[in-house]
Amino acid sequence: IQLTQSPSFLSASVGDRVTITCRASQDIKYFLAWYQQKPGKAPKVLIYAASILQSGVPSRFSGSGSGTEFTLTITSLQPEDFATYYCQQLNSFPPVFGGGTKVEIK
Amino acid sequence: EVQILESGGGLVQPGGSLRLSCEASGFIFGSFTMAWVRQAPGKGLEWVSAISGSGDGTYYADSVKGRFTISRDNSKEMVYLQMNSLRGEDTAVYYCARDKIYCGGGTCYEHWFDPWGQGTLVTVSS
Repeated sequence: IQLTQSPSFLSASVGDRVTITCRASQDIKYFLAWYQQKPGKAPKVLIYAASILQSGVPSRFSGSGSGTEFTLTITSLQPEDFATYYCQQLNSFPPVFGGGTKVEIK
Repeated sequence: EVQILESGGGLVQPGGSLRLSCEASGFIFGSFTMAWVRQAPGKGLEWVSAISGSGDGTYYADSVKGRFTISRDNSKEMVYLQMNSLRGEDTAVYYCARDKIYCGGGTCYEHWFDPWGQGTLVTVSS
């Protein structure tokens, strides 16, 4: 299974609504997770099972989609949200990550 | 508090060996599969290996199969990654992570990772 994220790079302003897309090469139902990684830090899970928000993650983050197309939405971008975001499929072994989407300040 | 801490990274020559260690705390260690995920400089994430809670099941990415060996000591709450025949393309930050599972609505979602350690850098160069 291959995961393709788009865009690879995104420039946005504080307060913007941001949407990142992850497309799977085959149907993975709801078997998807999203991670946030800040420079020099380890990834942190935001969402699993496509839409379940991990405990402690702000509600401005949401995940949707099923099958082959998924989205991560940040409703009002905050300064601490500037980071790289990765999707990961949970449908089959081995786990595979998308190529990442870097969100930078406009 | 769940904590994961890696150690053992460093500079090694091509063809050399290195053993990474991962110390976990704050959860029932033997109940969880543990995984290693790496990230080459400026690149994305690549799953490397995993080991079941009992240690009976071990899994490897094709890129490291036959060269890397994962093991664990549940009495010490430790996971290890023995890396042999190292190549330049193995240069990366290696993260240790707890492999999570969530079951709901009759379906189980496994092999997502939380939390991750801070990572340890392995550089393979002459």
